[in-house]
Amino acid sequence: EAGVTQSPTHLIKTRGQQATLRCSPISGHTSVYWYQQALGLGLQFLLWYDEGEERNRGNFPPRFSGRQFPNYSSELNVNALELEDSALYLCASSLVLPAANEQFFGPGTRLTVL
Amino acid sequence: GQQLNQSPQSMFIQEGEDVSMNCTSSSIFNTWLWYKQDPGEGPVLLIALYKAGELTSNGRLTAQFGITRKDSFLNISASIPSDVGIYFCAGFAGGTSYGKLTFGQGTILTVHP
Repeated sequence: EAGVTQSPTHLIKTRGQQATLRCSPISGHTSVYWYQQALGLGLQFLLWYDEGEERNRGNFPPRFSGRQFPNYSSELNVNALELEDSALYLCASSLVLPAANEQFFGPGTRLTVL
Repeated sequence: GQQLNQSPQSMFIQEGEDVSMNCTSSSIFNTWLWYKQDPGEGPVLLIALYKAGELTSNGRLTAQFGITRKDSFLNISASIPSDVGIYFCAGFAGGTSYGKLTFGQGTILTVHP
């Protein structure tokens, strides 16, 4: 069974640009989560999507947004990139309740903002 | 907000030794998870704990959900070189935090052959 996949592996942008990151969940999983892992820091929760709807959001500015498609894949968009947005962005997926707490992660997209 | 304090920050051990790390919180969590992350990869789920007092094993790994629901520990027995990596605890509080896992800062494990 294929795991969570993310693309691209690496992304280099300049300040002020927009970045789009993509995620495909494990087959059968309907929930997708996005986390930011900055260098030297733990994982910080960004967004949770389920059945195409945003269900919860972490303490990040509105320029971090996303969506979930009918096939449950998801996109994370970061507008007006800032240097401190450089980080590993991890996508995770899960089944619905009661196993929703077990989130399975993809390999991540390394975003570098110059 | 919710925070998880994970300790130790790093460990340097000899192959064959046992390892113990723990996470504590000032607030209650309904679920505790332990992940391992290798360089350049995403975290891999090792153990999930759902009940206070629960003790669960996965091979050489054993984890416990604290009775107060504010802490958890992970033990690794007879460490081997492939145990090297960063171990994270994560908690799920529910309520308005639904869907959100709160992560500890990680424990960097180095195993000397």
